[in-house]
Amino acid sequence: SQTIHQWPATLVQPVGSPLSLECTVEGTSNPNLYWYRQAAGRGLQLLFYSVGIGQISSEVPQNLSASRPQDRQFILSSKKLLLSDSGFYLCAWSVKGFKDLETQYFGPGTRLLVL
Amino acid sequence: AQSVTQLGSHVSVSEGALVLLRCNYSSSVPPYLFWYVQYPNQGLQLLLKYTSAATLVKGINGFEAEFKKSETSFHLTKPSAHMSDAAEYFCALSYPGRRALTFGSGTRLQVQP
Repeated sequence: SQTIHQWPATLVQPVGSPLSLECTVEGTSNPNLYWYRQAAGRGLQLLFYSVGIGQISSEVPQNLSASRPQDRQFILSSKKLLLSDSGFYLCAWSVKGFKDLETQYFGPGTRLLVL
Repeated sequence: AQSVTQLGSHVSVSEGALVLLRCNYSSSVPPYLFWYVQYPNQGLQLLLKYTSAATLVKGINGFEAEFKKSETSFHLTKPSAHMSDAAEYFCALSYPGRRALTFGSGTRLQVQP
């Protein structure tokens, strides 16, 4: 069966510091991968998605970037964190679509607090 | 543009009572619809999904949802609430060729003993 891991689970970082959040998927090959952010009072927003190694699409302009160095690894980064980057970051994966339907499965999340 | 509206940010029911969480959508193309549940400090777990087959969809933990095109709704129900159902529930929409899920703002379900 497939599992998705995220780490760290919780992170407290000062403003202006760098960020690296990691997501890995086990039990599947060539998945689509996604980063979402859940901010207080703002719901869930897709940040990035990737259909393959080195292929990253950004949904919204922001202070963050993403990379996919390996098939089942997805990394979310920032060079300098802002207060507004605080939130709950969720990684998700999906099997490439059958009849265009790609159900997304979510990881446990990383809670980031920027002070 | 596609959107999802969840009526009621907080719903409180008694244990054993009917659970009804409302979701309405707007989509210019036939949608795929999903319900996810999020327990405190955890990721989202898929409850059920509508994929243009049967309009009544059964999911895990006794939940079900009915797709009603005429009402543009996909309400989530459970006949009898359990304490363990207390969580936040998200309705989400997608459609063929769309990568992102469009989420509603969520409904927090509280179950009173």
